[in-house]
Amino acid sequence: DVKVTQSSRYLVKRTGEKVFLECVQDMDHENMFWYRQDPGLGLRLIYFSYDVKMKEKGDIPEGYSVSREKKERFSLILESASTNQTSMYLCASRHTGTSGGYTFGSGTRLTVV
Amino acid sequence: SQQGEEDPQALSIQEGENATMNCSYKTSINNLQWYRQNSGRGLVHLILIRSNEREKHSGKLRVTLDTSKKSSSLLITASRAADTASYFCATDASYSGAGSYQLTFGKGTKLSVIP
Repeated sequence: DVKVTQSSRYLVKRTGEKVFLECVQDMDHENMFWYRQDPGLGLRLIYFSYDVKMKEKGDIPEGYSVSREKKERFSLILESASTNQTSMYLCASRHTGTSGGYTFGSGTRLTVV
Repeated sequence: SQQGEEDPQALSIQEGENATMNCSYKTSINNLQWYRQNSGRGLVHLILIRSNEREKHSGKLRVTLDTSKKSSSLLITASRAADTASYFCATDASYSGAGSYQLTFGKGTKLSVIP
């Protein structure tokens, strides 16, 4: 089974800190994604990547950046954390092919104080 | 923008009844997926239906897809209290070719099954 691992389950950071959220998949998938989930808003796409060093903005990229130096690792960076970035962050990896499904990590609940 | 839009936003039924949730989307898709999420927990993939399929079954789940109307429905038969959760549809679509894809979610339907 594909495994998508997010390095932290819970994080508490201070306003203004630089925050790194890490995501690793173990199946050589090309497409990886970062979402945030907030009550009543569903899952919103922040950034995605379809190859090493390739990245595309999703619906809400402001305040975030990403890094994909290796195929298996996709990092989400909050350059200067703010309280409105308190949220659940979910990473996903897409199975290869046109009919691919997705595997999600278990999520990182980030609180910015 | 969010591709899938679920309807209704909330649904409350008695145990034993069927629950039907609908999803509409806007653009061409490769497949449509339904996920479930219990409160405070992770996403669980329920079922995937490809764009060339019209109906699919998995246990007590039945999914239909109408690409001409850009809509899908999820039916849960004989609901139990344990089915109480939020249900999301998500559409998988190609993004600017070159093997790039995007999965876009709706806001979800909150299902409550009353014992």
